[in-house]
Amino acid sequence: EAGVTQFPSHSVIEKGQTVTLRCDPISGHDNLYWYRRVMGKEIKFLLHFVKESKQDESGMPNNRFLAERTGGTYSTLKVQPAELEDSGVYFCASSGGSGNTIYFGEGSWLTVV
Amino acid sequence: LAKTTQPISMDSYEGQEVNITCSHNNIATNDYITWYQQFPSQGPRFIIQGYKTKVTNEVASLFIPADRKSSTLSLPRVSLSDTAVYYCLVGGFMFSGGYNKLIFGAGTRLAVHP
Repeated sequence: EAGVTQFPSHSVIEKGQTVTLRCDPISGHDNLYWYRRVMGKEIKFLLHFVKESKQDESGMPNNRFLAERTGGTYSTLKVQPAELEDSGVYFCASSGGSGNTIYFGEGSWLTVV
Repeated sequence: LAKTTQPISMDSYEGQEVNITCSHNNIATNDYITWYQQFPSQGPRFIIQGYKTKVTNEVASLFIPADRKSSTLSLPRVSLSDTAVYYCLVGGFMFSGGYNKLIFGAGTRLAVHP
């Protein structure tokens, strides 16, 4: 069974540009989460989808971040315009099916220069 | 949301058993306890999960006392490759349906020496 996959694995963009991160959850998982770790900080929750609906977006830092999950399958996280402080690693995770464990992807490493 | 407290770092040697204890005094009735392992440049990897008593799988054991206010992850006979950060998290499931978000702390940085 494939795990949570994220794309791109690494991205370097200039300040002011736009980046879109994609996450494919484990097949059949209704719950999808985005987390991030910025330099020197702990992993922080961003938001939680249940199917295509946003269950909890209390961790989204500001309106430069937009997450979508059309059709309840894969999700995208767009950062527009990117700022230097957005640099870090963005993790996607999913849960559901017959279990209650949350599984994480390997992360998308974003560097804003 | 329940917070967790665990040692910032631990040192061990190859072949030893390592026990990492986590405190979660405010754990809720519907919270599970989950431990993750993270290597540099990788995502958190699920190790083990439990609700009460003892859980064992092929890589670790998890001991949870009756009051559930703490838990201990036990890694038998560690090797150099077990050097990583270990996170104790509570939450992740609601009996009413749906899943709580997980709140990460700083984790425990385990260093295994030859």
